[in-house]
Amino acid sequence: QVLLVQSGAEVKKPGASVKVSCKASGYTFRNYDINWVRQTTGQGLEWVGWMNPISGNTGYAQNFQGRATMTRDNSISTAYMELRSLRSEDTAVYYCVRRAGLGHLDYYDHWGQGTLVTVSS
Amino acid sequence: DIVMTQSPDSLAVSLGERATINCKSSQSVFDNSYNKNYLAWYQQKPGQPPKLLIYWASTRESGVPARFSGSGSGTDFTLTINSLQAEDVAVYYCQQFYSVPRTFGGGTKVEIK
Repeated sequence: QVLLVQSGAEVKKPGASVKVSCKASGYTFRNYDINWVRQTTGQGLEWVGWMNPISGNTGYAQNFQGRATMTRDNSISTAYMELRSLRSEDTAVYYCVRRAGLGHLDYYDHWGQGTLVTVSS
Repeated sequence: DIVMTQSPDSLAVSLGERATINCKSSQSVFDNSYNKNYLAWYQQKPGQPPKLLIYWASTRESGVPARFSGSGSGTDFTLTINSLQAEDVAVYYCQQFYSVPRTFGGGTKVEIK
């Protein structure tokens, strides 16, 4: 079955960076875009951006432009999201999600278990 | 950005009764060329990630019980849970995938009365 397994919880200080990994199994990793969505208590679910594993092309929500970088290692079916210049408002659970398919199939049919990132001095 | 507004914030329904959740988008998410509404519904149980229930406003994901149904078009959508079961206690979110950035509603918490 399709699985997205994320790395463990992180605690970071303001101004630091965090890199979360997402290992995919049960399907051909290259064939499906990976998106990242975060969930905070106050702001609910927020879309961070997307990455195409074949081309490496990415797109980010404006709130994350210049601070987030999505990459991948196709040899181990793993996607990564790095977020820099962390601030307390970035405290959230970060999910990697699989886009259901190409074209109009731009909803999310599988979600990772989530990675809690806590930003605190 | 398309703003997604859900109502109510929470509701309590008796077992076996119907739960109705509304979602309104600030602009239409209907694609005339493809004749589809780019609207999805997710269910999130405590301690779990969201799970896809419905896409294109009314198409149930494989394995989702038939008591879940979606309706609506353009800017107004509804998720209906017929004959509520105990395992349906969760927060439900709508999401538009018509334009970037993708945006979610604030969620509706469903509880047992």
